Amino acid sequence: EIVLTQSPGTLSLSPGERASLSCRASQSVSSNYLAWYQQKLGQAPRLLISGASSRATGIPDRFSGSGSGTDFTLTISRLEPEDFAVYYCQQYGSSRTFGQGTKVEIK
Amino acid sequence: QVQLVQSGTEVKKPGASVKVSCQASGYSFSSYSFSWVRQAPGQGLEWMGWISAYNGKTIYAQDFQDRVTLTTDTLTSTAYMELRSLRSDDTAIYYCAREWAYTGYFDYWGQGTLVTVSS
Repeated sequence: EIVLTQSPGTLSLSPGERASLSCRASQSVSSNYLAWYQQKLGQAPRLLISGASSRATGIPDRFSGSGSGTDFTLTISRLEPEDFAVYYCQQYGSSRTFGQGTKVEIK
Repeated sequence: QVQLVQSGTEVKKPGASVKVSCQASGYSFSSYSFSWVRQAPGQGLEWMGWISAYNGKTIYAQDFQDRVTLTTDTLTSTAYMELRSLRSDDTAIYYCAREWAYTGYFDYWGQGTLVTVSS
């Protein structure tokens, strides 16, 4: 099973700042089959990125994904108030597993 | 618009079974598949299994293989997840999520169903 480790566990930032979230896999993720989701309190997750870097429909361009192999990054270029949430990475190259999440909180 | 509407909160005793439904609308039901994902209180996301709404083929996560059954009903555009032999650590929110074929990522999610297992 591919284990995904997200860091940091919590990111404290102010609106307007840049956020960089890391997702590291225990082995290479085939074909960069990696997705990112945003989850707000009391809501279901929302797909942001698939294929490591393709934004889902309706996702603002301040969200971008990058990386390959075992190291992936979600970047939010300028945090908006509605971006404070928990973010999960998920690999789907070998079955499916999720990371443990990164909470982006207001500083 | 695409909607996945799940059934309501369940409270079950240890050893019982639960069946959660997920009714889809706003798209061609048989053209997509479903995955089921659960989230224990304050915890992360855990994939349980996948079912094709086209032909009923299933793939289960190893941790759930012996206790979960996924089904679909094309007449009512509804997907179901049944979990048996419930334990207290099965207490969680259970989500259905839409997936194109077996692509592996989930573009729409249900609102979640809380299942509480307690004696």
